[in-house]
Amino acid sequence: KQEVTQIPAALSVPEGENLVLNCSFTDSAIYNLQWFRQDPGKGLTSLLLIQSSQREQTSGRLNASLDKSSGRSTLYIAASQPGDSATYLCAAGPYNFNKFYFGSGTKLNVKP
Amino acid sequence: EAGVAQSPRYKIIEKRQSVAFWCNPISGHATLYWYQQILGQGPKLLIQFQNNGVVDDSQLPKDRFSAERLKGVDSTLKIQPAKLEDSAVYLCASSSGNIGRWDFGPGTRLTVL
Repeated sequence: KQEVTQIPAALSVPEGENLVLNCSFTDSAIYNLQWFRQDPGKGLTSLLLIQSSQREQTSGRLNASLDKSSGRSTLYIAASQPGDSATYLCAAGPYNFNKFYFGSGTKLNVKP
Repeated sequence: EAGVAQSPRYKIIEKRQSVAFWCNPISGHATLYWYQQILGQGPKLLIQFQNNGVVDDSQLPKDRFSAERLKGVDSTLKIQPAKLEDSAVYLCASSSGNIGRWDFGPGTRLTVL
């Protein structure tokens, strides 16, 4: 069974800093890796999806990388803003179509 | 385009009572998921529907949880009887089948006393 771990569990940074969130998974035979954002009381918003054949994806200030051989993914946030404060979840998808296993998330607080 | 709708948003019950949650997915989305998210943990898949058929319910506690998706549209998730450990947020998501294109509802926060 796929196990997904996210470190750190919580992170507090001043506005403007660049930061990296980490995600590791035990089964490297994944189909894709997805990063989500969750705001309090809200559902999950998809940020970036990396297919197994890809190494990274970028959207605005966000960049996600995937290294299947080491079982790791990172989410890089450039020039962080208070509006980035949320919980970030990664999810690994095996070759079972459309099924994901989630990590427990990193709660990010960006201080003005 | 309207998003995934869920109701109620909050529910407080006592243990051994019954509760039901409702989900209305995005129009045209054939795949529907129910996830359970316990505080401090990531979401865990309970059940996945493709149209009105069950694709995966391997992690659904079938002795107390049940779910149905009539006519391949709306879905209900029921817990009977509830236990303290069922306190969680229940998330509904739907997908059109494009890999990774999921839409999540706001969730129902259940508190079992």
